[in-house]
Amino acid sequence: DIQMTQSPSSLSASVGDRVTITCQASQDISNYLNWYQQKPGKAPKLLIYDASNLETGVPSRFSGSGSGTDFTFTISSLQPEDIATYYCQQYDNLPQVFTFGPGTKVDIK
Amino acid sequence: QLQLQESGPGLVKPSETLSLTCTVSGGSISSSSYYWGWIRQPPGKGLEWIGSIYYSGSTYYNPSLKSRVTISVDTSKNQFSLKLSSVTAADTAVYYCARQFGYQLPHWGQGTLVTVSS
Repeated sequence: DIQMTQSPSSLSASVGDRVTITCQASQDISNYLNWYQQKPGKAPKLLIYDASNLETGVPSRFSGSGSGTDFTFTISSLQPEDIATYYCQQYDNLPQVFTFGPGTKVDIK
Repeated sequence: QLQLQESGPGLVKPSETLSLTCTVSGGSISSSSYYWGWIRQPPGKGLEWIGSIYYSGSTYYNPSLKSRVTISVDTSKNQFSLKLSSVTAADTAVYYCARQFGYQLPHWGQGTLVTVSS
């Protein structure tokens, strides 16, 4: 089974800061990697799909990159409304399984 | 606008079967473009995919839960359902239903908390 790790597990940054989260897969997953934002008490929201594609309606300050085993999620200028936990998610075809990373909690300093 | 709504008991006794239904509105569950899935999140913890179903009834499950999970679909009611048997306190979680497009989960229900306790 493919394992996903995320780092850091939490971070605190100032409004306007550039924030970067990394996600690593235990084996090559090509670009089958998505990023979600989850605010407290809410369902997750898809932000980035196929590693680097911005979901419709998502602000352009969010971006993703990477392929293979190493992926990066970036908020170019942190806003107060970005306070949330961010999860990466991969899909494995054999067996068919969705796996989420453990999450990164983002706070305002 | 697509909406998904989970429903079912909020409290289940240990060793019993957890049953939830997801009602889809604003779109057809019989669309050939989508699978429909269940995901759960224990309080204060991360997300765990449970399984997915196609409108035809084809399913695939998380291997770690496969022996206890059954997902079914009722196209006449535009609903799909989750049954998780032999529950323990470890199954206490917020359960989400979602529409799956390829290997993405772009649409989610609001979630429902199920507590396993006697």
